[in-house]
Amino acid sequence: GENVEQHPSTLSVQEGDSAVIKCTYSDSASNYFPWYKQELGKGPQLIIDIRSNVGEKKDQRIAVTLNKTAKHFSLHITETQPEDSAVYFCAAVSPTGANNLFFGTGTRLTVIP
Amino acid sequence: DSGVTQTPKHLITATGQRVTLRCSPRSGDLSVYWYQQSLDQGLQFLIQYYNGEERAKGNILERFSAQQFPDLHSELNLSSLELGDSALYFCASSVRPEINTEAFFGQGTRLTVV
Repeated sequence: GENVEQHPSTLSVQEGDSAVIKCTYSDSASNYFPWYKQELGKGPQLIIDIRSNVGEKKDQRIAVTLNKTAKHFSLHITETQPEDSAVYFCAAVSPTGANNLFFGTGTRLTVIP
Repeated sequence: DSGVTQTPKHLITATGQRVTLRCSPRSGDLSVYWYQQSLDQGLQFLIQYYNGEERAKGNILERFSAQQFPDLHSELNLSSLELGDSALYFCASSVRPEINTEAFFGQGTRLTVV
């Protein structure tokens, strides 16, 4: 099945700086890549997603890029704010799999005021 | 608030026991997914129901079962509980049956097996 690797596991940035989280996937048939933000005591919240027919997608301070050839995708957060502090998960969906989300292991982002 | 409701929020039970976790999807969502989140395994897909029928099955143990009722709420039953079953259990819902569509997660049920 699909295997998603996520790096780094922890990331600390100064407020206002950018943060980048990277993921790789193994199944070249995977075609949907969402990113989730999980705050303490809450469930994962979808923040942005990208499909395999698109190379980049942006939503205000958040952007995601996808490189299908290299099988990796990245989350970029610009002008970080303390409220961006959370655990971020990438995920991939493979149509050849069991129709489920394969999650990365998460990145704990801390934005230092 | 995602609109997905899970009860209870916390559950403490002994090994060997059986528990039921409940999930109410967002209004209008027909698809319900169950996930387990543990420190060593991360977020793992367990099972999906769509409009009352099982649609996909992931890493769900035989001791676990689920169902979706006519009113679309879902229950996850965990039996013969072991210490290793201690985890956060999340329910998510979406309108369509395909997983490559926006899914909304509930706040989870924290299960502690002692």
